[in-house]
Amino acid sequence: DTGVSQDPRHKITKRGQNVTFRCDPISEHNRLYWYRQTLGQGPEFLTYFQNEAQLEKSRLLSDRFSAERPKGSFSTLEIQRTEQGDSAMYLCASSPPTGGPNYGYTFGSGTRLTVV
Amino acid sequence: KQEVTQIPAALSVPEGENLVLNCSFTDSAIYNLQWFRQDPGKGLTSLLLIQSSQREQTSGRLNASLDKSSGRSTLYIAASQPGDSATYLCAVPSSGYSTLTFGKGTMLLVSP
Repeated sequence: DTGVSQDPRHKITKRGQNVTFRCDPISEHNRLYWYRQTLGQGPEFLTYFQNEAQLEKSRLLSDRFSAERPKGSFSTLEIQRTEQGDSAMYLCASSPPTGGPNYGYTFGSGTRLTVV
Repeated sequence: KQEVTQIPAALSVPEGENLVLNCSFTDSAIYNLQWFRQDPGKGLTSLLLIQSSQREQTSGRLNASLDKSSGRSTLYIAASQPGDSATYLCAVPSSGYSTLTFGKGTMLLVSP
């Protein structure tokens, strides 16, 4: 297993277009997270899946954002009608099923979105 | 609501210096604390995970300490190298491990 994979690495889109990002977690990890990071800031939590169930969503996740994790494997994050304020690095992370204090999070390389 | 603060925001040192990065958190009821490294335009690489029952964790030239009662953690980097130049982030999980709260990071530049 090569870790958490995210695709694409970079995406440039025009304002108003829809974009979709993909995340493939570590295979034995059942927890998957999406974070957003803007320049000079730490990552901010967007949403969290345990298996296929989306258990928590941040207030940052407006109606234009939707995330899915069919069959509890890979996940997609879609942004509809993109705005310039959506420009950021979108990070995916996963953690093992036992969770708890003994286990940390593994992050992917991120998808950098630029809305022009 | 948990808040994480990192000081300094930026640090520039010559190669070979030992240095300390600071992280403080407002809610001391944490289960663990994780330090990450982030290179420009890249994702996060986990450096060290300290469980709440531990006081220190070491990996190579890196040593992280945790003082839950005072809400502080430090990351010590020994004999810094230009390759250590990156942003260092600390993060603590929520009680259900569903979210991580991050600091804004310390941007480190080690000059040859």
